[in-house]
Amino acid sequence: GAVVSQHPSRVICKSGTSVKIECRSLDFQATTMFWYRQFPKKSLMLMATSNEGSKATYEQGVEKDKFLINHASLTLSTLTVTSAHPEDSSFYICSGEIRSTDTQYFGPGTRLTVL
Amino acid sequence: QKEVEQNSGPLSVPEGAIASLNCTYSDRVSQSFFWYRQYSGKSPELIMSIYSNGDKEDGRFTAQLNKASQYVSLLIRDSQPSDSATYLCAVHGSSNTGKLIFGQGTTLQVKP
Repeated sequence: GAVVSQHPSRVICKSGTSVKIECRSLDFQATTMFWYRQFPKKSLMLMATSNEGSKATYEQGVEKDKFLINHASLTLSTLTVTSAHPEDSSFYICSGEIRSTDTQYFGPGTRLTVL
Repeated sequence: QKEVEQNSGPLSVPEGAIASLNCTYSDRVSQSFFWYRQYSGKSPELIMSIYSNGDKEDGRFTAQLNKASQYVSLLIRDSQPSDSATYLCAVHGSSNTGKLIFGQGTTLQVKP
């Protein structure tokens, strides 16, 4: 299957700081990448759809100024959590889509803890 | 009505048995269907994709799709304790956004 990486896998930061998470498709080109958030024992929640070369589309209730998404190339999307607060602590997961098969391949996730 | 519905479980089966996981969906024009496995604390991993009515087999896994009944299932033969995880059913939406609509997941416990 296709491989997606994320970096970092785990990050701890102080309240008020910004954190950038990278998502890379290693062996395929992903015109579209998706960003999800998952709280413990809860379902995946789609945050935004990231299309290469254009602005991300955010789901209802997700603050676009707080969660900045950039998809500058066909293999890299970044999510920046700005002015992080403890309630932003969560498991952030990206996926890359292979358009021809509608299939999403997930990265290993980034666990964010905001103190 | 939820767009994709799964029984949250837990579904408990003995080692070596067949585990049957079920999923129903509401959008009749959906064309692509997926099963993902998610271990606790990890991200989802693709198990199977299915696009046509009928069965699709891959090793111990068989996906079944019935578009008329809007039903998709996953059978796991010879279940192993390592199969214990949450299984997510996902349906590709009818819009061209590429979004997957996920069920809430079924927790499978395989007991030795």
